[in-house]
Amino acid sequence: EAQVTQNPRYLITVTGKKLTVTCSQNMNHEYMSWYRQDPGLGLRQIYYSMNVEVTDKGDVPEGYKVSRKEKRNFPLILESPSPNQTSLYFCASKGSLSTDTQYFGPGTRLTVL
Amino acid sequence: GESVGLHLPTLSVQEGDNSIINCAYSNSASDYFIWYKQESGKGPQFIIDIRSNMDKRQGQRVTVLLNKTVKHLSLQIAATQPGDSAVYFCAVSNSGYALNFGKGTSLLVTP
Repeated sequence: EAQVTQNPRYLITVTGKKLTVTCSQNMNHEYMSWYRQDPGLGLRQIYYSMNVEVTDKGDVPEGYKVSRKEKRNFPLILESPSPNQTSLYFCASKGSLSTDTQYFGPGTRLTVL
Repeated sequence: GESVGLHLPTLSVQEGDNSIINCAYSNSASDYFIWYKQESGKGPQFIIDIRSNMDKRQGQRVTVLLNKTVKHLSLQIAATQPGDSAVYFCAVSNSGYALNFGKGTSLLVTP
């Protein structure tokens, strides 16, 4: 089954404790991205990657890092989480930059205390 | 940058009625438009899309209308069912670059 998976689905952590949210897709997609979703603000893009070893900032990249060492994986790293990063995070992928239909993962709800 | 807005944050309809959800965008160069459905606890799910060379596209019980003159698109759901209750987002892109999402309209279907 074609899908985007994220882990963990739920995470409660404390300020400053590094964490990684994993994202994996099995569709051989080139393009992957991370979004955060906050009430009243909708979905905002954090980072995206057009292919292996190619990443770029989205609209709200501060406080986040990503890596793309393999095509299928695109982890989101919070080196020093802060409470304002409490949010619902979605990973998404699509075939290429010019292929527009984007598939979303199930989401990761992060709480930073 | 692109600004994408929805006209109503919430919409309540009776089961069996037709629903219309609206979205406005600001960038006249936008050329691809998508509607997503997001159910509680799930990620956005693709419903239907339309490109700027079209003004109407139909799917199963859904129709998307695009008016490029006023930079407006709408999603019409025919014979709305309880399973249609969800948050609906429009998303807009320019030549395949990052999607800009609207804030969502919450559709509530009442029996």
